[in-house]
Amino acid sequence: EVQMVESGGGLVKPGGSLRLSCATSGFTFSSAWMSWVRQTPGKGLEWVGRVLSKSDGGTTDYATPVKGRFTVSRDDSKNMTYLQMSSLKPEDSGVYFCTTESTRGHYPWGQGTLVTVSS
Amino acid sequence: QSALTQPASVSGSPGQSITISCTGTSSDVGAYNYVSWYQHHPGKAPKLIIHDVTKRPSGVPDRFSGSKSGNTASLTISGLQPEDEGDYHCSSYTTTYTWVFGGGTKLTVL
Repeated sequence: EVQMVESGGGLVKPGGSLRLSCATSGFTFSSAWMSWVRQTPGKGLEWVGRVLSKSDGGTTDYATPVKGRFTVSRDDSKNMTYLQMSSLKPEDSGVYFCTTESTRGHYPWGQGTLVTVSS
Repeated sequence: QSALTQPASVSGSPGQSITISCTGTSSDVGAYNYVSWYQHHPGKAPKLIIHDVTKRPSGVPDRFSGSKSGNTASLTISGLQPEDEGDYHCSSYTTTYTWVFGGGTKLTVL
């Protein structure tokens, strides 16, 4: 069974940093492109960023609102992906999901981890 | 990249059909056949129900179907069932190699 389990969310002050983790199992992680998607309060889903598989270059791409502040990384030895978030803003608050990505879209998804940016 | 436009809410009675629209631009929905739809019950993991505009992953009932015309994609649910109630989100690949999602549509089964 494919599983994605996010962790690391919590309450952080504006300007602070947080690192989210995603533990995966049940598929060939090293071949997968890994993405993070968030759902902010009252809004729909928003793609945050991705890291390609190492065989595809291991490069990263980001949505404009988080570029320069967020970093997606991966550890193929642990089947884990991470989202390092810095210079956090209140509008970054929401539930963060990790998921695999292909041209088919994003699947499967975890249940997400809640990030609250507030003073 | 602006979010795709979806109606905030739709409703229908059991057995009826509903359609949810998803409007983008020539830089996303109109550019590729990489439109996907997700069903999301709050507190649970979103579920991919349509990919590549019209294709259903294994296990998704054929009551769910997708289509696209120009810059607008659509999700149709036929024979509505109570368990279909929830939020539905569209998504499209873009010409800047990113993804854009819609604002989500809340489906109420009356």
